[in-house]
Amino acid sequence: SQQGEEDPQALSIQEGENATMNCSYKTSINNLQWYRQNSGRGLVHLILIRSNEREKHSGRLRVTLDTSKKSSSLLITASRAADTASYFCATDATNTDKLIFGTGTRLQVFP
Amino acid sequence: GAVVSQHPSRVICKSGTSVKIECRSLDFQATTMFWYRQFPKQSLMLMATSNEGSKATYEQGVEKDKFLINHASLTLSTLTVTSAHPEDSSFYICSAKAGVETQYFGPGTRLLVL
Repeated sequence: SQQGEEDPQALSIQEGENATMNCSYKTSINNLQWYRQNSGRGLVHLILIRSNEREKHSGRLRVTLDTSKKSSSLLITASRAADTASYFCATDATNTDKLIFGTGTRLQVFP
Repeated sequence: GAVVSQHPSRVICKSGTSVKIECRSLDFQATTMFWYRQFPKQSLMLMATSNEGSKATYEQGVEKDKFLINHASLTLSTLTVTSAHPEDSSFYICSAKAGVETQYFGPGTRLLVL
């Protein structure tokens, strides 16, 4: 399977703490994207990082990309209870339109 | 941002019937739409890529006669689950590509086959 893997599978933290999720993938990519999914809902696009970028910030989100290790991380700083959701990475492989999703991390932030 | 809608949001049907799910890009034209299915607590699995005016491209293991896809216009793609069975019960999500990079996702359709 080309599916990427994320770890941890589940993460529980207190409000105010930082949450770090990691994603590994298998193929060469054009870019890597992170999405958020609340239970039973569609996906919300969070951030896109291109293969020639190493780090990107958006508000409380920080994404890193290491193409030599085929891995990415998503850091959510100063977490809030409203951040509770599943987070997925998705890679856009070269020469294809397709997105390949990671296995996801379920984040629970306790107030 | 770009908005993608799906209809219906939930559907319950009897085994053996067919169900049609619509995916619309509301404020942009999408030459490519994608259909995914997601089982509980699992990730999204791509079923097929739908290009306007041409036949869909199905992923390995997805039966094209079971999951009929029609992309009749630049804003509408439909997925028909034919002769649905309980094992087809799942969360079906579509996405539409706006430009080169970002896919925008619909809110999903929960299908329950009794």
